Amino acid sequence: DQQVKQNSPSLSVQEGRISILNCDYTNSMFDYFLWYKKYPAEGPTFLISISSIKDKNEDGRFTVFLNKSAKHLSLHIVPSQPGDSAVYFCAARIQGAQKLVFGQGTRLTINP
Amino acid sequence: EAGVAQSPRYKIIEKRQSVAFWCNPISGHATLYWYQQILGQGPKLLIQFQNNGVVDDSQLPKDRFSAERLKGVDSTLKIQPAKLEDSAVYLCASSRLQTAGNTIYFGEGSWLTVV
Repeated sequence: DQQVKQNSPSLSVQEGRISILNCDYTNSMFDYFLWYKKYPAEGPTFLISISSIKDKNEDGRFTVFLNKSAKHLSLHIVPSQPGDSAVYFCAARIQGAQKLVFGQGTRLTINP
Repeated sequence: EAGVAQSPRYKIIEKRQSVAFWCNPISGHATLYWYQQILGQGPKLLIQFQNNGVVDDSQLPKDRFSAERLKGVDSTLKIQPAKLEDSAVYLCASSRLQTAGNTIYFGEGSWLTVV
């Protein structure tokens, strides 16, 4: 039962352009959503989060959008930089619990 | 602030052997997690501790996996006997008891290959 889905295993974007990573979820009890970034041979690092009561959160080049009616969130990176090349995981927290449920990840490659 | 420390970083064992991983969370973090990440998949929670008590171990294969967190700080995850399908990265993570945004901080992971 995959409660958090990232349907694109990979994405390739030109440097300077916008990267859009997508995530869908099925559980209405999720109250917080997070994006993590993972480089090879390293653990995931927290990138940005959004509460279910908001529809947008912005931090520098990174913006997360939440569409609760569609149970969909997206991460926008603009402008994309070569250092953004990594695997991005979408994660969601079940209301009342601290554990996170992760998607399968999307490998983002930024081409010079 | 030091991050989550894990060891060993890499381990290769034969099936049916045993292995143990160690984790030291960020100082002051009451909640500790062990996640398993199989290649091509997202991390999956195995067990969650709050201080030295187990909060959630519903996805821990208890016939072969065990974990403990003595004194509410360090934790060990043991696999005995190992199977080929246990080949994965074992990620330890920690968080404060009540965290705005519920940020969980991960260690670099312990890479296990079972042959």
